[in-house]
Amino acid sequence: ETGVTQSPTHLIKTRGQQVTLRCSSQSGHNTVSWYQQALGQGPQFIFQYYREEENGRGNFPPRFSGLQFPNYSSELNVNALELDDSALYLCASNLGGAGTEAFFGQGTRLTVV
Amino acid sequence: AQSVTQLDSQVPVFEEAPVELRCNYSSSVSVYLFWYVQYPNQGLQLLLKYLSGSTLVKGINGFEAEFNKSQTSFHLRKPSVHISDTAEYFCAESGGNTGFQKLVFGTGTRLLVSP
Repeated sequence: ETGVTQSPTHLIKTRGQQVTLRCSSQSGHNTVSWYQQALGQGPQFIFQYYREEENGRGNFPPRFSGLQFPNYSSELNVNALELDDSALYLCASNLGGAGTEAFFGQGTRLTVV
Repeated sequence: AQSVTQLDSQVPVFEEAPVELRCNYSSSVSVYLFWYVQYPNQGLQLLLKYLSGSTLVKGINGFEAEFNKSQTSFHLRKPSVHISDTAEYFCAESGGNTGFQKLVFGTGTRLLVSP
């Protein structure tokens, strides 16, 4: 059983650029969520995908978008990067439902300069 | 809006001493509660969760937590800590009536265990 894997592990981008982060969910998990963790803060919910459809979104602007593929892997896209987007981006997969265990990847550290 | 408060940003403790990490949640409706641990340069790992039933929940690595509805608290405890418990601990809630899991995290408590 493979865990949640994210790529890349680190990334440096310039303000105004676009970035794509990738996540492979744990085997058998059909739900993927993305979280942003700023330095010294707890993770904040960006959005969740269930069977290729977005089914929940946090308080993030539309320039944060995502995709989920038929194999349940996922992408997070951020357009028009701002300095405040610098953070650890975490992907989590689960079997759906508010009470199920979410399995987290190691995250992608994004630095915007 | 849901919110989770972790009252202590850092808790220093000596090895083999007991520890309690405090967490208060805001939701007045059905809620699921979680404690996650984050080791340096790693993702989050679930320690334990409360869904319903017994208010005392036992988790991995000797941790336990008690759900207290009247005080809206879910404090994490361990009777004897080890050096290896040094990490960041996050309390989180997920509303039980949303149909999907949106974890709302606290700001975290750094547990520092020294010899």
